[in-house]
Amino acid sequence: AQKVTQAQTEISVVEKEDVTLDCVYETRDTTYYLFWYKQPPSGELVFLIRRNSFDEQNEISGRYSWNFQKSTSSFNFTITASQVVDSAVYFCALSEAGGGFKTIFGAGTRLFVKA
Amino acid sequence: DGGITQSPKYLFRKEGQNVTLSCEQNLNHDAMYWYRQDPGQGLRLIYYSQIVNDFQKGDIAEGYSVSREKKESFPLTVTSAQKNPTAFYLCASSFPSKPQHFGDGTRLSIL
Repeated sequence: AQKVTQAQTEISVVEKEDVTLDCVYETRDTTYYLFWYKQPPSGELVFLIRRNSFDEQNEISGRYSWNFQKSTSSFNFTITASQVVDSAVYFCALSEAGGGFKTIFGAGTRLFVKA
Repeated sequence: DGGITQSPKYLFRKEGQNVTLSCEQNLNHDAMYWYRQDPGQGLRLIYYSQIVNDFQKGDIAEGYSVSREKKESFPLTVTSAQKNPTAFYLCASSFPSKPQHFGDGTRLSIL
């Protein structure tokens, strides 16, 4: 069954702290895609990153980095030196090729960054 | 500008009434999706469509209906059978396996 678990409901950090958001997924498909999206208080969802199941290379983009490990079915997201503007809800999502690219989302992690 | 447009932004439903939420995209995307978001919760998939004239149920399709007569349009009807329709509804579109583009959402409330 297709499932995404974000066990951390809310995280609160002080500015400049590093923070890691966890994402664990379940799938029977061998070809799938993982995504992270950001939803700021204004409500729109913003795409951050996409990874396919054949590419386990970690990625860094500025203060953001992602750790994809198929062995543990995890796709974790780290923000280094967090800033107040990082405060948002972050969603992890899974899309299976075999399922017609049906995409499901985790419950989200709400991140509060305090000045 | 290319994008995805949802309307209306706010919608009120009376008891026993069906209401339709509009979603239009000019990105030439094949796939379109409807999600429901309840306060403090994640996005739950209602329906999705990969091609015109075809759509599949998501995880919470009961009480909802959709159509996909045109590539650009994927309207969602919230029927009177949906007993708890108050939520934030998000429409998205994408090419297969690619990131989804989201609309600004419609907030539906019960009168």
